[in-house]
Amino acid sequence: GAGVSQSPRYKVTKRGQDVALRCDPISGHVSLYWYRQALGQGPEFLTYFNYEAQQDKSGLPNDRFSAERPEGSISTLTIQRTEQRDSAMYRCASSTRTGFTDTQYFGPGTRLTVL
Amino acid sequence: GNSVTQMEGPVTLSEEAFLTINCTYTATGYPSLFWYVQYPGEGLQLLLKATKADDKGSNKGFEATYRKETTSFHLEKGSVQVSDSAVYFCALSAETSGSRLTFGEGTQLTVNP
Repeated sequence: GAGVSQSPRYKVTKRGQDVALRCDPISGHVSLYWYRQALGQGPEFLTYFNYEAQQDKSGLPNDRFSAERPEGSISTLTIQRTEQRDSAMYRCASSTRTGFTDTQYFGPGTRLTVL
Repeated sequence: GNSVTQMEGPVTLSEEAFLTINCTYTATGYPSLFWYVQYPGEGLQLLLKATKADDKGSNKGFEATYRKETTSFHLEKGSVQVSDSAVYFCALSAETSGSRLTFGEGTQLTVNP
């Protein structure tokens, strides 16, 4: 079946612009996660949802970052007034359930470059 | 808080050599442990996992055993191939921190023919 998809795959924007990154999880997956990965580093947690409810947003670096999953499926990560330090790979993952033993399946990522 | 420490890379081996990538962790309780792999130009894929102490995860000739006493989850393969060249990430998920994954820094493996 179809895996996790993310769009766009690459995004180049100018400092100060807003960007919206989209994640389409595997059909039927309850949980959806956002991570950010700097070059040469492991992914770092940003936020996650169970169904449409945002369970934990403690990893969002500041209030320019927000995420939503209004119908419990597709999610959007929005970054307002982008800065150069926001440049990174943004990864989305989904899992069938909400348990800490469950496997998270990752999408291909969105490479964000802020000029 | 939870943390994962991987051996520093990069690691370069010849084909058919034995591979070990060390991973140790700090977490409260009994976390689940994972190895993810990122092949060039691709996303993260689960390689194997273990959810309780003494469990052994295995896949594609790779193995890792959940050692509670040494808080380790070292990745091993008896004979690597050129196609194993990738970045390997050790990660944990703990009940005390929801379902989030905490990753190590990653280890770049290059296998030469």
